[in-house]
Amino acid sequence: SQQGEEDPQALSIQEGENATMNCSYKTSINNLQWYRQNSGRGLVHLILIRSNEREKHSGRLRVTLDTSKKSSSLLITASRAADTASYFCATAPNAGGTSYGKLTFGQGTILTVHP
Amino acid sequence: GAVVSQHPSWVICKSGTSVKIECRSLDFQATTMFWYRQFPKQSLMLMATSNEGSKATYEQGVEKDKFLINHASLTLSTLTVTSAHPEDSSFYICSAGSIGLSNEQFFGPGTRLTVL
Repeated sequence: SQQGEEDPQALSIQEGENATMNCSYKTSINNLQWYRQNSGRGLVHLILIRSNEREKHSGRLRVTLDTSKKSSSLLITASRAADTASYFCATAPNAGGTSYGKLTFGQGTILTVHP
Repeated sequence: GAVVSQHPSWVICKSGTSVKIECRSLDFQATTMFWYRQFPKQSLMLMATSNEGSKATYEQGVEKDKFLINHASLTLSTLTVTSAHPEDSSFYICSAGSIGLSNEQFFGPGTRLTVL
């Protein structure tokens, strides 16, 4: 079952503005990952944040994780038209064995950046 | 970074035929491969987990006799959609991971299946 919920479902902004996407989950996690998907293409891994981390940066990306609220946010600063894509969060369970590596994806946010 | 390929990138077939999709890890050995299905404007749904040399583990609601998965080597997994029907039309994506690569999975570019 899909445990990740993302909001907003769609976000439309102008180039140069910041874009913030949120993700909530339900169960205990080992880590949370964010992916980007351009229309009809595969997924590109953006960033991974572990359950014992609160914030992580990568270039124009900033991810926060609040395990007490079971939520995460992805901030893209100074957005560009090329950032237009769908963004998904995915959680990895906090269990080994047969659960190793299994990711549960959120519903995704469709980001449109207008030039 | 690690590269995963899928073949074919798209396929159109007639209802009732079987279609095989290949997923290859090109520069690393994948102990585990995952198969996802994605319908238009929806998220990825995990179908099954495939470990090299053992039977695949299917998610609830996924018919193992319809979606045959073979993980014959550490670099190749195949998904065969048997007796395909129009409702099987979807975007199929594989990912590959290895315990040595920690928690990261590497995704293939996907295969667009259209069943007429």
